[in-house]
Amino acid sequence: DTEVTQTPKHLVMGMTNKKSLKCEQHMGHRAMYWYKQKAKKPPELMFVYSYEKLSINESVPSRFSPECPNSSLLNLHLHALQPEDSALYLCASSQGPIGTAPYGYTFGSGTRLTVV
Amino acid sequence: AQTVTQSQPEMSVQEAETVTLSCTYDTSENNYYLFWYKQPPSRQMILVIRQEAYKQQNATENRFSVNFQKAAKSFSLKISDSQLGDTAMYFCAFMKSTIQGAQKLVFGQGTRLTINP
Repeated sequence: DTEVTQTPKHLVMGMTNKKSLKCEQHMGHRAMYWYKQKAKKPPELMFVYSYEKLSINESVPSRFSPECPNSSLLNLHLHALQPEDSALYLCASSQGPIGTAPYGYTFGSGTRLTVV
Repeated sequence: AQTVTQSQPEMSVQEAETVTLSCTYDTSENNYYLFWYKQPPSRQMILVIRQEAYKQQNATENRFSVNFQKAAKSFSLKISDSQLGDTAMYFCAFMKSTIQGAQKLVFGQGTRLTINP
């Protein structure tokens, strides 16, 4: 299995809703990432998990809450979002750790989020 | 901080032509990795090619090759015999190891490439 699977593919939520995005990989990668991508822009890093521990939080608002329950699964919990949070949310994984040659990321196909 | 610059927001060529996408970057690191990713309308980010900075030989993957000039901090992508399926947004990206051990990927702004029939 050489894929990163993201669900759902599309999500519409109200500003008072609570929802979660899910990301799964079975490649044995030990680093997992959440990126946010607005239209016609490059992805922007949000969070990095390394060995199931949060290692980077790029000053993301607390209405976004990441979780890494195990080495294969990464969640992004959403609460009280704003319309400007509408974007494509990409999950990725990589081999990590220090000392291993990075082969780049493997990306999922993303969740298209619309906040109304 | 590392920065990646793609100076061509859009490019358009005819099918079967060769096209070169430009990328420059700024870093004080000596060892790092450079990538080209492709993002078609299906939105999946796909790794096209990878270059290790300590290797002088330019990477090649079938119709895709790079011109890596480390001293000039330049990393261009050449697509030969372009095909309609090459139509996509192309991102140049830089990677170094962070002190936390995970590998942060820094993207350029992207070049939208259209291959015309």
